[in-house]
Amino acid sequence: QLQLQESGPGLVKPSETLSLTCTVSGGSISSSNYYWGWIRQPPGKGLEWIGSIYYSGSTYYNPSLKSRVTISVDTSKNQFSLKLSSVTAADTAVYYCARHAGVLPFDIWGQGTMVTVSS
Amino acid sequence: EIVMTQSPAALSVSPGDRATLSCRASQSVSSNLAWYQQKPGQAPRLLIYGTSTRATGIPARFSGSGSGTEFTLTISSLQSEDFAVYYCQQYNNWLRTFGGGTKVEIK
Repeated sequence: QLQLQESGPGLVKPSETLSLTCTVSGGSISSSNYYWGWIRQPPGKGLEWIGSIYYSGSTYYNPSLKSRVTISVDTSKNQFSLKLSSVTAADTAVYYCARHAGVLPFDIWGQGTMVTVSS
Repeated sequence: EIVMTQSPAALSVSPGDRATLSCRASQSVSSNLAWYQQKPGQAPRLLIYGTSTRATGIPARFSGSGSGTEFTLTISSLQSEDFAVYYCQQYNNWLRTFGGGTKVEIK
């Protein structure tokens, strides 16, 4: 069945760029009607949608993060990626990748990866 | 941005009892409301979408209702594996937002 797996550094210095990749297995990232998103959860807090991408490259971002976020897709590797620039301690969180069909909820999630912003 | 407010923040329930969780939207989201369950150290799991449709493999003891701005998740007879945090989420537009969560604890 379809699985998603996040990967990337667990520690990022303040003011630097956080970079994560989500690898999709058991299915194609180029499947019609499916979007691929990033969601984060600060320790002990709730969930925040960061943005989503379609395999064609169309992106949708949370306005609160839009100036610092870039989401890209590599269909040849069945992966999509997140870059968040100028990070601060407030960006410390578990970052999840997930799938959703158009304007529908997230039905398949990765296990999440903890990213700490600290010098 | 549509703000989602969940109540109560925590709920103590005995196994076998019914739990009722509420979610309110700051403006109408039509029926575009989902519920997720999250256990410690795990990713959220989709329970309900479209306000009342159970996701694949979700037991019938979970049910959702409501429309517009007021929504409810009911767990009819709590099992030990149901003690977790539950989040509602609206997806009425691309800026999808989550509620703050309700923690269901063992009484």
